[in-house]
Amino acid sequence: DQQVKQNSPSLSVQEGRISILNCDYTNSMFDYFLWYKKYPAEGPTFLISISSIKDKNEDGRFTVFLNKSAKHLSLHIVPSQPGDSAVYFCAASARNYGQNFVFGPGTRLSVLP
Amino acid sequence: DVKVTQSSRYLVKRTGEKVFLECVQDMDHENMFWYRQDPGLGLRLIYFSYDVKMKEKGDIPEGYSVSREKKERFSLILESASTNQTSMYLCASSLPSPGTSSTSYNEQFFGPGTRLTVL
Repeated sequence: DQQVKQNSPSLSVQEGRISILNCDYTNSMFDYFLWYKKYPAEGPTFLISISSIKDKNEDGRFTVFLNKSAKHLSLHIVPSQPGDSAVYFCAASARNYGQNFVFGPGTRLSVLP
Repeated sequence: DVKVTQSSRYLVKRTGEKVFLECVQDMDHENMFWYRQDPGLGLRLIYFSYDVKMKEKGDIPEGYSVSREKKERFSLILESASTNQTSMYLCASSLPSPGTSSTSYNEQFFGPGTRLTVL
């Protein structure tokens, strides 16, 4: 049973509009969350993270929101650009996981010109 | 600039062959990880290592083993390759996470991946 879920396998957005990628988790012990971006034929690269003591973290065009009561986080990209087209993975960790992350299945974002 | 390299980008092997996937990182990271990525399943942890000579099973270790003789190198071994091990294999490294009083974890840096096909 997946502990980190990304229920939308794919998402298409027009250039300049907002992209919203969602992630749900089941383990209430998770206290740190990350988003990774992956282009074809490349390894995932870190994008942004958030600790459970916060409900929002912003870095340029990227903002992550955390709703602990709903066990839900989302990544907002504003404005979306064609170069943002990639697979986005949500990942989570907890103290009893040591230094390991649990990854979701990914969402493929396509930003259309 | 952190660099994680993997020995091959593409590999084709036959069922029953012994397969070695090599990973090298140049940032003196203590932690190293092997994942496989499959459609709809995301990245699943096979093995990890927090120190030289140390190894721990991840979520899907069956059919795999690892070796970490040097800090910068972490090898994944398929003792007898099977068709269900056809996948994208990703290596990652990271610094140790801060102590329990910290609210952050160190990010993992990934290599480009090895796409393994077992015929």
